[in-house]
Amino acid sequence: DAGVIQSPRHEVTEMGQEVTLRCKPISGHDYLFWYRQTMMRGLELLIYFNNNVPIDDSGMPEDRFSAKMPNASFSTLKIQPSEPRDSAVYFCASSLVRGRGEKLFFGSGTQLSVL
Amino acid sequence: GNSVTQMEGPVTLSEEAFLTINCTYTATGYPSLFWYVQYPGEGLQLLLKATKADDKGSNKGFEATYRKETTSFHLEKGSVQVSDSAVYFCALKDDQFYFGTGTSLTVIP
Repeated sequence: DAGVIQSPRHEVTEMGQEVTLRCKPISGHDYLFWYRQTMMRGLELLIYFNNNVPIDDSGMPEDRFSAKMPNASFSTLKIQPSEPRDSAVYFCASSLVRGRGEKLFFGSGTQLSVL
Repeated sequence: GNSVTQMEGPVTLSEEAFLTINCTYTATGYPSLFWYVQYPGEGLQLLLKATKADDKGSNKGFEATYRKETTSFHLEKGSVQVSDSAVYFCALKDDQFYFGTGTSLTVIP
């Protein structure tokens, strides 16, 4: 299996621009997670989906952030408008099951820099 | 609430040295505990896990024991290699995953 695939690997944009991050989970995994990693706050859960339905978006920082999962093999995280404080590494992860046996599989991340 | 506290880095060791990275947790329920490793430029990978008290997780020479009495899950390795250089994250899973802030390890030849 190819694992969780994220694109782009790096994104540099100017403040105010729209940014779209993409994720393809592992085939057959029912759960998809978006995390943000910064030096100050570590790894934060932004939102997760189960069977393409958003279950918990309480970690989404502001209305500027939105996430969608139109089908089982694709998800997007959009920031509009972007701000310098959004600069971070954004990870997508997927898992087969929830509960005690859950194991997260992470993508390689998108390094976002907002100038 | 749930939280994970792990020792701050960076940690620098010579090859073949003994490694300990401390991790303690606070949980409202009975969580599973994990160590994830992040190599440069990559996402986090599961290193080992333990799902109940007194369980020992092990992988690639790394070990950690789920200690409920001390709410700890310290990571150990008897002899580190240069290839172990990475960032290590302790995590607990209750209703969701909670990650520590990560500990950077550099092993020098």
